[in-house]
Amino acid sequence: ELKVEQNPLFLSMQEGKNYTIYCNYSTTSDRLYWYRQDPGKSLESLFVLLSNGAVKQEGRLMASLDTKARLSTLHITAAVHDLSATYFCAVRGGGGADGLTFGKGTHLIIQP
Amino acid sequence: DTAVSQTPKYLVTQMGNDKSIKCEQNLGHDTMYWYKQDSKKFLKIMFSYNNKELIINETVPNRFSPKSPDKAHLNLHINSLELGDSAVYFCASSSRLAGKETQYFGPGTRLLVL
Repeated sequence: ELKVEQNPLFLSMQEGKNYTIYCNYSTTSDRLYWYRQDPGKSLESLFVLLSNGAVKQEGRLMASLDTKARLSTLHITAAVHDLSATYFCAVRGGGGADGLTFGKGTHLIIQP
Repeated sequence: DTAVSQTPKYLVTQMGNDKSIKCEQNLGHDTMYWYKQDSKKFLKIMFSYNNKELIINETVPNRFSPKSPDKAHLNLHINSLELGDSAVYFCASSSRLAGKETQYFGPGTRLLVL
């Protein structure tokens, strides 16, 4: 059974600080996704990582993938309040075909 | 120019009723999905549908059934609703073409069973 674990599940941090969210998964997969969800809203795609060593950056967010360790990280640089949200990682497979298996999400609060 | 749309946005109903949620995508994608997000925000795949091939997550009760009248639509039918079905249901779509792996999610349908 494919399992995806994120940590931490809750993170409160100050503006201007750096932090990393970790995502481990239990079996081989060829795709790793990061999504953002604001309260009461849908999921917004941030990154899709396809290969070992892949690194993608968008603004203050950077995601990386190590397929050998089955680990992805989402790094936040110089956090700002607007980045407060819940962040999910997901891996293709586990529930059937192209369906995604999600981690439990990291609830991120960035305080001024 | 909405990419993935769902109706209704909110659905309140009584136990035992049958209801449907509609989903449409205008992205030209070949695969569509239904996900359930529970009260703890945990997301679980329910179905994926590609070119008439339906993949069902084995944990989904058979009261739930997807129906696809065409490539752009995947509707979700729920029979004999139960209290535990209360959740947010998200439709999503993607393409199997290389370089287009992103799954795009609809706005969600918030179902409350009383």
